[in-house]
Amino acid sequence: AQTVTQSQPEMSVQEAETVTLSCTYDTSESNYYLFWYKQPPSRQMILVIRQEAYKQQNATENRFSVNFQKAAKSFSLKISDSQLGDTAMYFCALQPPQGAQKLVFGQGTRLTINP
Amino acid sequence: GAGVSQSPRYKVAKRGQDVALRCDPISGHVSLFWYQQALGQGPEFLTYFQNEAQLDKSGLPSDRFFAERPEGSVSTLKIQRTQQEDSAVYLCASSLNAGGGSSYEQYFGPGTRLTVT
Repeated sequence: AQTVTQSQPEMSVQEAETVTLSCTYDTSESNYYLFWYKQPPSRQMILVIRQEAYKQQNATENRFSVNFQKAAKSFSLKISDSQLGDTAMYFCALQPPQGAQKLVFGQGTRLTINP
Repeated sequence: GAGVSQSPRYKVAKRGQDVALRCDPISGHVSLFWYQQALGQGPEFLTYFQNEAQLDKSGLPSDRFFAERPEGSVSTLKIQRTQQEDSAVYLCASSLNAGGGSSYEQYFGPGTRLTVT
Protein backbone atom coordinates (compact mmCIF):
# COMPACT_ATOMS: atom_id res chain seq x y z
CA ALA A 1 0.00 0.00 0.00
CA GLN A 2 1.08 3.54 -0.68
CA THR A 3 0.96 6.14 2.08
CA VAL A 4 1.77 9.83 2.36
CA THR A 5 2.43 11.58 5.68
CA GLN A 6 2.50 15.28 6.41
CA SER A 7 3.59 15.80 9.99
CA GLN A 8 2.89 19.54 10.24
CA PRO A 9 -0.86 20.18 10.62
CA GLU A 10 -0.37 23.96 10.72
CA MET A 11 2.34 26.49 9.97
CA SER A 12 2.44 30.25 10.13
CA VAL A 13 5.07 32.68 8.82
CA GLN A 14 5.41 36.36 8.09
CA GLU A 15 5.06 37.70 4.57
CA ALA A 16 8.33 37.58 2.56
CA GLU A 17 9.78 34.80 4.73
CA THR A 18 10.74 31.37 3.45
CA VAL A 19 8.82 28.34 4.66
CA THR A 20 9.35 24.61 4.18
CA LEU A 21 6.56 22.04 4.32
CA SER A 22 7.48 18.42 5.02
CA CYS A 23 6.22 15.25 3.39
CA THR A 24 7.27 11.62 3.66
CA TYR A 25 5.83 8.73 1.72
CA ASP A 26 6.00 5.00 1.34
CA THR A 27 5.77 2.98 -1.85
CA SER A 28 7.24 -0.24 -3.21
CA GLU A 29 7.38 1.20 -6.72
CA SER A 30 10.71 2.32 -8.15
CA ASN A 31 9.12 4.88 -10.41
CA TYR A 32 6.30 7.21 -9.43
CA TYR A 33 5.30 10.86 -9.38
CA LEU A 34 5.04 13.30 -6.51
CA PHE A 35 2.99 16.46 -6.35
CA TRP A 36 2.25 19.40 -4.14
CA TYR A 37 -1.29 20.75 -4.44
CA LYS A 38 -2.64 23.99 -2.98
CA GLN A 39 -6.24 24.26 -1.81
CA PRO A 40 -7.36 27.80 -0.94
CA PRO A 41 -10.53 28.37 1.10
CA SER A 42 -12.47 28.37 -2.18
CA ARG A 43 -11.67 24.60 -2.32
CA GLN A 44 -10.35 24.48 -5.90
CA MET A 45 -7.31 22.20 -5.81
CA ILE A 46 -4.43 23.68 -7.80
CA LEU A 47 -1.22 21.92 -8.81
CA VAL A 48 1.83 23.74 -7.46
CA ILE A 49 4.71 21.53 -8.53
CA ARG A 50 5.45 18.02 -9.83
CA GLN A 51 8.47 15.73 -9.50
CA GLU A 52 9.23 12.53 -11.40
CA ALA A 53 10.97 10.01 -9.15
CA TYR A 54 13.45 8.99 -11.85
CA LYS A 55 14.74 12.56 -12.12
CA GLN A 56 17.43 13.46 -9.63
CA GLN A 57 17.13 17.18 -10.24
CA ASN A 58 14.74 18.92 -7.89
CA ALA A 59 11.79 20.61 -9.57
CA THR A 60 11.32 24.38 -9.31
CA GLU A 61 8.44 26.66 -10.29
CA ASN A 62 9.18 30.32 -9.66
CA ARG A 63 9.06 30.78 -5.86
CA PHE A 64 8.31 27.10 -5.25
CA SER A 65 10.94 24.38 -5.13
CA VAL A 66 11.20 20.88 -3.75
CA ASN A 67 13.84 18.87 -1.94
CA PHE A 68 13.39 15.32 -3.18
CA GLN A 69 15.30 12.66 -1.24
CA LYS A 70 14.38 9.34 -2.87
CA ALA A 71 16.30 7.09 -0.50
CA ALA A 72 14.72 8.76 2.50
CA LYS A 73 11.32 8.91 0.76
CA SER A 74 11.08 12.58 1.58
CA PHE A 75 9.58 15.35 -0.55
CA SER A 76 9.52 18.80 1.03
CA LEU A 77 8.20 22.02 -0.48
CA LYS A 78 10.01 25.32 -0.06
CA ILE A 79 8.16 28.57 -0.65
CA SER A 80 10.44 31.57 -0.98
CA ASP A 81 9.39 35.20 -0.52
CA SER A 82 5.99 34.06 0.77
CA GLN A 83 2.95 36.11 -0.18
CA LEU A 84 -0.46 36.58 1.41
CA GLY A 85 -1.97 34.66 -1.51
CA ASP A 86 0.02 31.60 -0.51
CA THR A 87 -2.32 31.12 2.47
CA ALA A 88 -4.01 27.76 1.88
CA MET A 89 -4.02 24.07 2.68
CA TYR A 90 -1.12 22.28 1.02
CA PHE A 91 -1.31 18.61 0.15
CA CYS A 92 1.48 16.30 -0.82
CA ALA A 93 0.39 13.51 -3.19
CA LEU A 94 1.86 10.35 -4.69
CA GLN A 95 0.87 8.85 -8.04
CA PRO A 96 1.85 5.44 -9.45
CA PRO A 97 3.06 5.31 -13.05
CA GLN A 98 0.63 2.68 -14.24
CA GLY A 99 -2.98 1.70 -13.88
CA ALA A 100 -5.58 4.08 -12.56
CA GLN A 101 -2.98 6.65 -11.56
CA LYS A 102 -5.11 7.69 -8.63
CA LEU A 103 -3.53 10.21 -6.32
CA VAL A 104 -2.74 9.27 -2.72
CA PHE A 105 -2.83 12.40 -0.57
CA GLY A 106 -1.35 13.32 2.78
CA GLN A 107 -3.41 14.88 5.55
CA GLY A 108 -2.43 18.40 4.56
CA THR A 109 -0.67 21.37 6.14
CA ARG A 110 -2.58 24.57 6.79
CA LEU A 111 -0.23 27.43 5.91
CA THR A 112 -0.97 30.98 7.00
CA ILE A 113 1.02 33.93 5.72
CA ASN A 114 0.74 36.90 8.06
CA PRO A 115 1.11 40.52 6.93
CA GLY B 1 -11.07 27.16 -21.72
CA ALA B 2 -13.59 25.88 -19.21
CA GLY B 3 -12.31 23.88 -16.31
CA VAL B 4 -13.92 21.03 -14.44
CA SER B 5 -17.33 21.99 -13.11
CA GLN B 6 -19.42 20.31 -10.45
CA SER B 7 -22.99 20.73 -9.36
CA PRO B 8 -24.51 21.40 -7.00
CA ARG B 9 -21.85 23.23 -5.01
CA TYR B 10 -23.73 22.56 -1.80
CA LYS B 11 -26.22 19.85 -0.96
CA VAL B 12 -28.07 19.23 2.27
CA ALA B 13 -29.79 15.89 2.54
CA LYS B 14 -31.78 14.28 5.28
CA ARG B 15 -30.51 10.93 6.43
CA GLY B 16 -31.93 8.23 4.21
CA GLN B 17 -32.35 10.41 1.12
CA ASP B 18 -30.66 9.65 -2.18
CA VAL B 19 -28.38 12.26 -3.77
CA ALA B 20 -26.78 12.69 -7.17
CA LEU B 21 -23.64 14.74 -7.72
CA ARG B 22 -22.63 15.82 -11.20
CA CYS B 23 -19.20 16.37 -12.73
CA ASP B 24 -18.47 17.97 -16.09
CA PRO B 25 -14.84 17.26 -16.97
CA ILE B 26 -12.68 19.27 -19.32
CA SER B 27 -13.71 18.49 -22.88
CA GLY B 28 -11.61 15.71 -24.39
CA HIS B 29 -10.24 14.44 -21.10
CA VAL B 30 -10.14 10.66 -21.09
CA SER B 31 -9.73 10.02 -17.38
CA LEU B 32 -12.12 11.02 -14.62
CA PHE B 33 -11.64 10.55 -10.89
CA TRP B 34 -13.89 11.01 -7.86
CA TYR B 35 -12.39 11.75 -4.44
CA GLN B 36 -14.00 12.19 -1.02
CA GLN B 37 -12.57 14.81 1.31
CA ALA B 38 -13.64 14.75 4.95
CA LEU B 39 -13.34 17.95 6.95
CA GLY B 40 -9.70 18.76 7.67
CA GLN B 41 -8.39 15.74 5.77
CA GLY B 42 -6.79 15.04 2.44
CA PRO B 43 -8.89 13.74 -0.44
CA GLU B 44 -9.35 9.98 -0.67
CA PHE B 45 -9.85 8.12 -3.93
CA LEU B 46 -13.30 6.73 -4.67
CA THR B 47 -13.41 5.63 -8.30
CA TYR B 48 -11.84 6.07 -11.74
CA PHE B 49 -13.17 6.08 -15.29
CA GLN B 50 -11.31 5.80 -18.55
CA ASN B 51 -13.82 7.08 -21.07
CA GLU B 52 -17.07 5.29 -20.16
CA ALA B 53 -15.39 2.32 -18.51
CA GLN B 54 -15.19 2.26 -14.73
CA LEU B 55 -11.79 0.66 -14.27
CA ASP B 56 -11.33 1.06 -10.53
CA LYS B 57 -13.99 1.39 -7.87
CA SER B 58 -11.93 0.11 -5.00
CA GLY B 59 -12.38 3.30 -2.97
CA LEU B 60 -16.17 3.31 -2.86
CA PRO B 61 -16.97 2.90 0.85
CA SER B 62 -20.12 0.85 0.47
CA ASP B 63 -22.63 -0.46 -2.04
CA ARG B 64 -24.68 2.67 -1.40
CA PHE B 65 -22.19 4.54 -3.59
CA PHE B 66 -22.53 4.25 -7.33
CA ALA B 67 -20.87 6.18 -10.15
CA GLU B 68 -21.41 6.27 -13.88
CA ARG B 69 -20.09 7.99 -16.98
CA PRO B 70 -22.31 6.55 -19.72
CA GLU B 71 -21.04 8.59 -22.69
CA GLY B 72 -17.48 9.07 -21.56
CA SER B 73 -18.00 12.71 -20.62
CA VAL B 74 -20.28 13.82 -17.78
CA SER B 75 -20.16 11.67 -14.66
CA THR B 76 -22.62 11.26 -11.82
CA LEU B 77 -21.85 10.02 -8.33
CA LYS B 78 -24.95 8.71 -6.62
CA ILE B 79 -25.27 7.98 -2.93
CA GLN B 80 -28.30 6.02 -1.81
CA ARG B 81 -29.81 6.14 1.67
CA THR B 82 -27.36 8.79 2.84
CA GLN B 83 -25.82 8.50 6.30
CA GLN B 84 -24.21 11.18 8.47
CA GLU B 85 -20.78 9.72 7.81
CA ASP B 86 -21.27 10.53 4.12
CA SER B 87 -20.96 14.25 4.94
CA ALA B 88 -17.87 15.46 3.07
CA VAL B 89 -16.70 17.38 0.05
CA TYR B 90 -16.80 15.30 -3.11
CA LEU B 91 -14.15 16.30 -5.62
CA CYS B 92 -14.05 15.41 -9.27
CA ALA B 93 -10.86 15.53 -11.34
CA SER B 94 -10.11 14.87 -14.99
CA SER B 95 -6.93 14.30 -16.93
CA LEU B 96 -6.14 14.24 -20.60
CA ASN B 97 -4.90 10.68 -20.88
CA ALA B 98 -4.43 7.53 -18.94
CA GLY B 99 -1.67 5.16 -17.94
CA GLY B 100 1.20 4.34 -20.24
CA GLY B 101 3.88 5.18 -17.74
CA SER B 102 3.45 8.93 -18.09
CA SER B 103 1.91 11.28 -15.61
CA TYR B 104 -0.98 13.44 -16.68
CA GLU B 105 -2.02 16.35 -14.53
CA GLN B 106 -5.35 15.98 -12.81
CA TYR B 107 -7.49 19.10 -12.94
CA PHE B 108 -9.90 19.42 -10.06
CA GLY B 109 -13.37 20.85 -9.86
CA PRO B 110 -14.56 23.07 -6.98
CA GLY B 111 -16.25 20.16 -5.25
CA THR B 112 -19.70 19.52 -3.85
CA ARG B 113 -20.11 19.90 -0.10
CA LEU B 114 -22.61 17.31 1.09
CA THR B 115 -24.13 17.67 4.53
CA VAL B 116 -26.34 14.88 5.81
CA THR B 117 -28.61 15.88 8.71
